[in-house]
Amino acid sequence: GEDVEQSLFLSVREGDSSVINCTYTDSSSTYLYWYKQEPGAGLQLLTYIFSNMDMKQDQRLTVLLNKKDKHLSLRIADTQTGDSAIYFCAGSGGSYIPTFGRGTSLIVHP
Amino acid sequence: GAGVSQSPSNKVTEKGKDVELRCDPISGHTALYWYRQRLGQGLEFLIYFQGNSAPDKSGLPSDRFSAERTGESVSTLTIQRTQQEDSAVYLCASSPPVQETQYFGPGTRLLVL
Repeated sequence: GEDVEQSLFLSVREGDSSVINCTYTDSSSTYLYWYKQEPGAGLQLLTYIFSNMDMKQDQRLTVLLNKKDKHLSLRIADTQTGDSAIYFCAGSGGSYIPTFGRGTSLIVHP
Repeated sequence: GAGVSQSPSNKVTEKGKDVELRCDPISGHTALYWYRQRLGQGLEFLIYFQGNSAPDKSGLPSDRFSAERTGESVSTLTIQRTQQEDSAVYLCASSPPVQETQYFGPGTRLLVL
């Protein structure tokens, strides 16, 4: 099955860009997702990318997909304190049950 | 529109008691998922329903766990004879037809004393 790995923590200064990285193992993943989880809340879908795309931009969010290296990244421009949360990467792995990484805790400090 | 809702939002129970958790998916969503999230951990898949097909129960950790869904509506997750290690947030998600994107509810925080 799919295996998804993420670094556990990222600390950035307010106004800087954040880059959260993720690697996956199953090249048959049709979709790759980024979710955001704020304290005490469920997961909120931020964005997703089809496997036939290299990049997707949505306002402050940029997703880059390197299929050769099975590497996915999420860049948040002009990071704000409200962006502090846990970010989960997920891959479909050719299945209808996405596999989630353990999540990256993003800490934004003044 | 209305999102996925779950109830109760918090549940405290004693070891050995049974609990029932409820999920109301988004109307029209045929797929429904249950996940468990232990403190500081990622999501652990439990069970998947798709329309009227037989559910995928491959993620249920023991026979104390069961889930039902009536058609394409409400689902209940039941944990019998709860143990302390069952303490976690239980998340429900639903997906529209022919799409894998999941929409999550806020979760039920279960604490077993």
